[in-house]
Amino acid sequence: AQSVTQLDSQVPVFEEAPVELRCNYSSSVSVYLFWYVQYPNQGLQLLLKYLSGSTLVKGINGFEAEFNKSQTSFHLRKPSVHISDTAEYFCAVKSASYGKLTFGQGTILTVHP
Amino acid sequence: NAGVTQTPKFQVLKTGQSMTLQCAQDMNHNSMYWYRQDPGMGLRLIYYSASEGTTDKGEVPNGYNVSRLNKREFSLRLESAAPSQTSVYFCASRGAGTSGETQYFGPGTRLLVL
Repeated sequence: AQSVTQLDSQVPVFEEAPVELRCNYSSSVSVYLFWYVQYPNQGLQLLLKYLSGSTLVKGINGFEAEFNKSQTSFHLRKPSVHISDTAEYFCAVKSASYGKLTFGQGTILTVHP
Repeated sequence: NAGVTQTPKFQVLKTGQSMTLQCAQDMNHNSMYWYRQDPGMGLRLIYYSASEGTTDKGEVPNGYNVSRLNKREFSLRLESAAPSQTSVYFCASRGAGTSGETQYFGPGTRLLVL
């Protein structure tokens, strides 16, 4: 079985400050990792994903994440946030060979002016 | 392309009533999914369909049924709604192979059961 833990339920930050949203996972097999974003009253959309290759993954809207296999983490970062980044962010994991997507509990990022 | 569409957007039911949530995708995807989203719990898989004609239970299937009507459409039915089913429901679809690992989500259906 696999699981995902997002270590912060809420992250407040000021505009133009850097941000890191933390995600740890557990799995006994190789995994694919994802970050999704959900803007208010909308569905989820993919920010970025790690399937294989370079452990530093760049996504849309200036976000990036680093896959750390030894620490079983996939933290999301952005060097300078904007008001429009206010949203809920979900980390998700899937076995590379089978199975379904398992989501974390979500982190609400609030960017203050 | 509209992507993944869901109807209705909002619904209020009384306990014991039934309803069907509709989902359609126009991306020719094989796999489709139904999730529910509750505060602080992320998204939990209710049912999924790996291909037309097949359906399987997810993490929280009790109280729900599904139908994969054709490749495009995947409906979720609540036979006798309960207040515990108050939630936001999302449909998603996924293509094939590693290039298709991304799930695409609809806008959601917000359901309140009184």
